[in-house]
Amino acid sequence: DAGVIQSPRHEVTEMGQEVTLRCKPISGHDYLFWYRQTMMRGLELLIYFNNNVPIDDSGMPEDRFSAKMPNASFSTLKIQPSEPRDSAVYFCASYQGGSGGYTFGSGTRLTVV
Amino acid sequence: KNEVEQSPQNLTAQEGEFITINCSYSVGISALHWLQQHPGGGIVSLFMLSSGKKKHGRLIATINIQEKHSSLHITASHPRDSAVYICAVRFFRGGSNYKLTFGKGTLLTVNP
Repeated sequence: DAGVIQSPRHEVTEMGQEVTLRCKPISGHDYLFWYRQTMMRGLELLIYFNNNVPIDDSGMPEDRFSAKMPNASFSTLKIQPSEPRDSAVYFCASYQGGSGGYTFGSGTRLTVV
Repeated sequence: KNEVEQSPQNLTAQEGEFITINCSYSVGISALHWLQQHPGGGIVSLFMLSSGKKKHGRLIATINIQEKHSSLHITASHPRDSAVYICAVRFFRGGSNYKLTFGKGTLLTVNP
């Protein structure tokens, strides 16, 4: 298995633009998580899905952020409009319920200028 | 409030030294994870613990549920162990809960 695949690896965009981050989880994993990492706040959960259904979105900062999981092999995190304070590394992770560790993607480094 | 505290924040060691990183948490948990992140790199899951002790190579993780405390030990440390080590817990909320709460991480630097 190629692991959790995120794209793009790096994204630089101007304030006000829409940004879409993508994630392909490990096949068979029934949980998918979106995390954000910043120097100030460390790692924070944004939202997670179980069997494609959003379970906890309490970490989504505001209405500018939205996440979807249309099927078991794909999820998106969208920011519209983007702001400089959204600059961070965004990680996707997947997990098979009842198993051991979580598997993280390589992350997307987002810079909003 | 559900909190995770790690210590130390920064740790510098000489190659070959025995390393200990600590993690404490505030309320009952269903599982605790130790993660490793190299500079500019991705995050790798090292251990998941709900009780006792686990060992993988030179890494050992222990947890004391009563004291709400876990430790990650590295024996015979090597410069390639230099990374940020992150403790993450799943707080027990009844039913299934897979949300992780993270410590701020410990930056380990092992000098040759």
